[in-house]
Amino acid sequence: DVQLVESGGALVQPGGSLRLSCAASGFDFNTYTLHWVRQVPGKEMEFVSAINSGGTIPYYADSVRGRFTISKDNARHTVVLQMNGLRHEDTGMYYCARSYVVTTAILDYWGRGTQVAVSS
Amino acid sequence: SSELTQDPDVSVALGQTVRITCQGDGFRNYYGGWFQQKPGQAPLLVFSGRDTRPSGIPDRFSASSSGDTATLTITGAQAEDEAVYFCSSRNTGNHPYVFGRGTKVTVL
Repeated sequence: DVQLVESGGALVQPGGSLRLSCAASGFDFNTYTLHWVRQVPGKEMEFVSAINSGGTIPYYADSVRGRFTISKDNARHTVVLQMNGLRHEDTGMYYCARSYVVTTAILDYWGRGTQVAVSS
Repeated sequence: SSELTQDPDVSVALGQTVRITCQGDGFRNYYGGWFQQKPGQAPLLVFSGRDTRPSGIPDRFSASSSGDTATLTITGAQAEDEAVYFCSSRNTGNHPYVFGRGTKVTVL
C-alpha cells in the first residue's frame, strides 16, 4: 500500500527553524513528484513546495521562497522541507502528497500531516 | 491566482443524492480533482480528471464539469460519506494548483 508519513512538526518561535520529513513506501518513489501542502483551519489547502521526480527541480510558493528548501532523497525514499525564518502565518497542518508531474492538480495520495505552530 | 468557490455546508438524507459544486476559471480548460477529508485522516482522492475514479472508491461517486463549474455527485449517500469534500484545479498564477475551501457534507 502507498504510504506517506510526515514528521517534524512542532511549536517554534517566530524566526525559528523546523525540518519536516516525509517517509514514503509502497510505490516507485523515483518516478513521482512530491509536494508539501499546508492548511490553516477554516481556509483552503495551499501549495507550499514541490520537487520533481529526480529531485533536481524545486518549486516554491511566493510566500516561502527564500525561506524554505525542499529536497528529495530517492535512495532513502524521503522528502524534506527545511523551514527557516518561520512566521506566524506559516502555522498550519503540513501534508506530504505525490503526483506524476508538478503541473497537475491531481495529488493522488496524501499523508495524515504534521502540525506546525509558530508562536512566541 | 485563480480561486475556487465551494458552498460551506450541505446535508443529505441517507440514501439520497447530493451534489457539491466548485466554481473557478480553471475548470473551463481543465478537469481537476475531488478529495474527501475526514477528521484526523489523510485527504483521499475520490475522483479526478474527466472520468477517473481511483481504485477502491465506490461507484456512487461521480463528477462532471460545465463551463467554470465542476460538480461531485454522491448518488445514494451513505453514513460513511460524511466528510469535508474539497476540489482542486490547475492555477493560472505562480502556483501549480489551487484548492477550494471545502464543503462539509452531513448525512442525516
